[in-house]
Amino acid sequence: QKEVEQNSGPLSVPEGAIASLNCTYSDRGSQSFFWYRQYSGKSPELIMFIYSNGDKEDGRFTAQLNKASQYVSLLIRDSQPSDSATYLCAAPFQGAQKLVFGQGTRLTINP
Amino acid sequence: ETGVTQTPRHLVMGMTNKKSLKCEQHLGHNAMYWYKQSAKKPLELMFVYSLEERVENNSVPSRFSPECPNSSHLFLHLHTLQPEDSALYLCASSQQGAGGTQYFGPGTRLTVL
Repeated sequence: QKEVEQNSGPLSVPEGAIASLNCTYSDRGSQSFFWYRQYSGKSPELIMFIYSNGDKEDGRFTAQLNKASQYVSLLIRDSQPSDSATYLCAAPFQGAQKLVFGQGTRLTINP
Repeated sequence: ETGVTQTPRHLVMGMTNKKSLKCEQHLGHNAMYWYKQSAKKPLELMFVYSLEERVENNSVPSRFSPECPNSSHLFLHLHTLQPEDSALYLCASSQQGAGGTQYFGPGTRLTVL
């Protein structure tokens, strides 16, 4: 089982709709989770991190964490074409000695 | 300069060349990382330095040699590379270890001929 797993997509969502990105992780000891956005040819940039079970909202973005199910998701409300990018989920492993990234989900917002 | 900077941004080299990639972080962090990102592949962690000591080396070939002279600077020395080493090389930094939030530099796009 991969340590952090995401659907590679592509995920296509109409403009204005809600985009839902999902991630599962294998290390039950992981305490924090990160979502990064990466535009083509650019480096990853941090969108959000979440530590506690439940939801965390920041503008149009909501991160959801369910530690019992080892599942973390990112919702993007009112999707814009500028949200089109690859979204990377990451979690620390081995007692936080390293951050492991999923393979990323490519999201396309259609005008 | 702010954040994490990397130079050069683009590099083309032959298989017999020796070159170095440079990374500098201006965030006061105590850990730095090198990642490799090939086309359509996930980020691959290459090296981790925490408090200027190497704490992780993910079975990277010896033709890649890291150097961390202080907590703000990180180098990746390259020699006798192969065409399959062509990729985007990303540097990142964080505070309080690898489990913390990492901030990335813009990357160096490397092409090996």
